[in-house]
Amino acid sequence: DTEVTQTPKHLVMGMTNKKSLKCEQHMGHRAMYWYKQKAKKPPELMFVYSYEKLSINESVPSRFSPECPNSSLLNLHLHALQPEDSALYLCASSPDSSNEKLFFGSGTQLSVL
Amino acid sequence: DQQVKQNSPSLSVQEGRISILNCDYTNSMFDYFLWYKKYPAEGPTFLISISSIKDKNEDGRFTVFLNKSAKHLSLHIVPSQPGDSAVYFCAASAPGNQFYFGTGTSLTVIP
Repeated sequence: DTEVTQTPKHLVMGMTNKKSLKCEQHMGHRAMYWYKQKAKKPPELMFVYSYEKLSINESVPSRFSPECPNSSLLNLHLHALQPEDSALYLCASSPDSSNEKLFFGSGTQLSVL
Repeated sequence: DQQVKQNSPSLSVQEGRISILNCDYTNSMFDYFLWYKKYPAEGPTFLISISSIKDKNEDGRFTVFLNKSAKHLSLHIVPSQPGDSAVYFCAASAPGNQFYFGTGTSLTVIP
């Protein structure tokens, strides 16, 4: 299994909603990442988990809350988002966090109304 | 400040010809470079990588060239095929650090 699976593929939410994005990999990778990508822009790193511990938080607003329940799962909890948070949210994994290639999921296209 | 730049937002190439996608970087600590391909509504797919100890890496129709003195890398696709039409991102990282992505080049291969 060489896939990173993200659910849901699409999500529409209001500014007062609470929702979660889910990511799963079964490649035994020990590093997992959340990226945000706006149209015609490069993916921007949000969070890195290494061996289930948060190792990088790129000054992301607290309305985004990551969680790594185990080495195969990564969640991103969303609360009180703004319309400008609408973007493609990509999950990725790598064998560990030291310069190994990233395997990306297909993303969740999020629209905040 | 964009540390990885792809200055051509788009490129059109005739099927069978060579596609050359370019990428420039500013951080001399970068030592690992990757190219990703992205179709609409899908996540980026890894294509090919190169470490700074090499100046060329080849995988089938895809070759990546690295010029460290110029802080420049390029991806050559030959022969180009219509299925290669996608957005191509280059990415770079320094040891133990995150990856920085370029803004992407949209390649169209014309049948």
